[in-house]
Amino acid sequence: NAGVTQTPKFRILKIGQSMTLQCTQDMNHNYMYWYRQDPGMGLKLIYYSVGAGITDKGEVPNGYNVSRSTTEDFPLRLELAAPSQTSVYFCASSFTTVTNTEAFFGQGTRLTVV
Amino acid sequence: AQKVTQAQTEISVVEKEDVTLDCVYETRDTTYYLFWYKQPPSGELVFLIRRNSFDEQNEISGRYSWNFQKSTSSFNFTITASQVVDSAVYFCALIPRGGADGLTFGKGTHLIIQP
Repeated sequence: NAGVTQTPKFRILKIGQSMTLQCTQDMNHNYMYWYRQDPGMGLKLIYYSVGAGITDKGEVPNGYNVSRSTTEDFPLRLELAAPSQTSVYFCASSFTTVTNTEAFFGQGTRLTVV
Repeated sequence: AQKVTQAQTEISVVEKEDVTLDCVYETRDTTYYLFWYKQPPSGELVFLIRRNSFDEQNEISGRYSWNFQKSTSSFNFTITASQVVDSAVYFCALIPRGGADGLTFGKGTHLIIQP
């Protein structure tokens, strides 16, 4: 079982460049999430989606965009990369709200903006 | 808004010692769910436990045990007879009932088990 797959695993961006972090899950989960983890900090929610076509902002959405055109995919877009976006990004999914079920996390994408 | 506090930034113990990781939370909701995740050096997040606010029974799973005390808003995690493989960052997290917007995480406790 693939679970939640994130690509790439590592990326270095120059300031002002853009990129898309890919996330796909094969568990037919409705809920998907993007978190960022800064050194010595817990994970903070960037965006989430409760189903295809529905997305909403989390705690730290500035500088990011998402889309959810299919159940499986939830890409995260950085339009104008800034050093403050240097972080480890985790995608997660759950069948329903995590009040009822476990959330599964991807392996993470380590992004450095220089 | 919710808040999860893990006051212990780093704990270092010698193998076979018992160790307790503290988690204190704040929420206005009467129904909520608490979690523990493990993040080994490889970086992935591994689910350990989910507990709802109505279930204050302690839980034991092998060498792991959890103590949930609503009166003190704490959900502590104890590893008995620690092993080197337990070395990791451990996160406590919370979500209120009906919360669709994901988990609120603490900053994590880095546990180092020395051989």
